[in-house]
Amino acid sequence: SQKIEQNSEALNIQEGKTATLTCNYTNYSPAYLQWYRQDPGRGPVFLLLIRENEKEKRKERLKVTFDTTLKQSLFHITASQPADSATYLCALLSGTYKYIFGTGTRLKVLA
Amino acid sequence: GAVVSQHPSWVICKSGTSVKIECRSLDFQATTMFWYRQFPKQSLMLMATSNEGSKATYEQGVEKDKFLINHASLTLSTLTVTSAHPEDSSFYICSASRTSGGTYNEQFFGPGTRLTVL
Repeated sequence: SQKIEQNSEALNIQEGKTATLTCNYTNYSPAYLQWYRQDPGRGPVFLLLIRENEKEKRKERLKVTFDTTLKQSLFHITASQPADSATYLCALLSGTYKYIFGTGTRLKVLA
Repeated sequence: GAVVSQHPSWVICKSGTSVKIECRSLDFQATTMFWYRQFPKQSLMLMATSNEGSKATYEQGVEKDKFLINHASLTLSTLTVTSAHPEDSSFYICSASRTSGGTYNEQFFGPGTRLTVL
């Protein structure tokens, strides 16, 4: 069956360090993978999209990698700040328009 | 640009009543809108996809007679939870996409609606 897995436990890191979040998937061949940020009681906010033919994408302090052989995406936040504390979701494009979301990883950046 | 609003942001209702949630794209025309449900500490689960002017496509296991979706215009979709029960209590989130598919289309999410059924 198709599955998307993210670290289910919360990730606590010290301010200034790099946070690395993992998204693993099985039985998918997604053309696109997205990362979202979700704050408590709010809808997801789009951060980055990476295509299957791209290895890496960057946006300011964010970096996403996409390894279709390992079926894994890594999401990095460099120089993390307490304001980066949130739940981060990965989502895969299934078919032509439908996105399937992972359960998310809660990140807490400690001051 | 690309703002999606939802109304109400939260609602409490009695068991057996119906609740309507609105999703609006404020500054763009949304050919396709999506409705998700999210239980605490769980992922967003897609409930249905609606295209303007046509019937919604429901995901497996979602009762279409219970969750009525109407996408009457390019800027408005509504989700009506009919005869709500406590197990329907959840966080309902909509998203809107500019085109109807075929290639990548970014989804813009609304802020969500917290439904509590007593």
